[in-house]
Amino acid sequence: QKEVEQNSGPLSVPEGAIASLNCTYSDRGSQSFFWYRQYSGKSPELIMSIYSNGDKEDGRFTAQLNKASQYVSLLIRDSQPSDSATYLCAALDNYGQNFVFGPGTRLSVLP
Amino acid sequence: EAQVTQNPRYLITVTGKKLTVTCSQNMNHEYMSWYRQDPGLGLRQIYYSMNVEVTDKGDVPEGYKVSRKEKRNFPLILESPSPNQTSLYFCASSLSGGGPAYNEQFFGPGTRLTVL
Repeated sequence: QKEVEQNSGPLSVPEGAIASLNCTYSDRGSQSFFWYRQYSGKSPELIMSIYSNGDKEDGRFTAQLNKASQYVSLLIRDSQPSDSATYLCAALDNYGQNFVFGPGTRLSVLP
Repeated sequence: EAQVTQNPRYLITVTGKKLTVTCSQNMNHEYMSWYRQDPGLGLRQIYYSMNVEVTDKGDVPEGYKVSRKEKRNFPLILESPSPNQTSLYFCASSLSGGGPAYNEQFFGPGTRLTVL
């Protein structure tokens, strides 16, 4: 059974701090990884995708991938109250067909 | 506007009454997928489709059917709904093929289904 695991949180950080969200996956064949943000009652929206080992930066967001450790992370710099949401990590299998999502980490950014 | 639409957005029904949730995308995406989201369990893939007439089971396909007769539409069918299918359902689509960026999924607004 392919699994993606995340700490459910809630993770609370003060405004302006760095929020660090982590994710591990069980399927070594997974090649692509995605971070989605989901506000309560809304649909997931894509923040970033990553498929090569190392870091990928986009504005205040940095995704990190370590395939040897089967570990993906998302850093949010200068966290804002509007970043308060649930963050979903997803892995896509080697065939580009089956997505597996983690249960999500709830982030709360305190003003 | 590029989007994925779902209908209905909210549905309350009774056990055993067949229903269909429609999903349509206007981005010419090849890949479409259905998920259900339950508290504590996250998003779980029900079925996916790589292209017209090509569908396959995800992780939780029991009790569901799908069809892909046209590229833009991917309806989810519950032939005999049961209370354990009460959930929030999302349809998603992506380009597929090519590099990983083609696999970035766009989600519909969701359908909240209650089966009594």
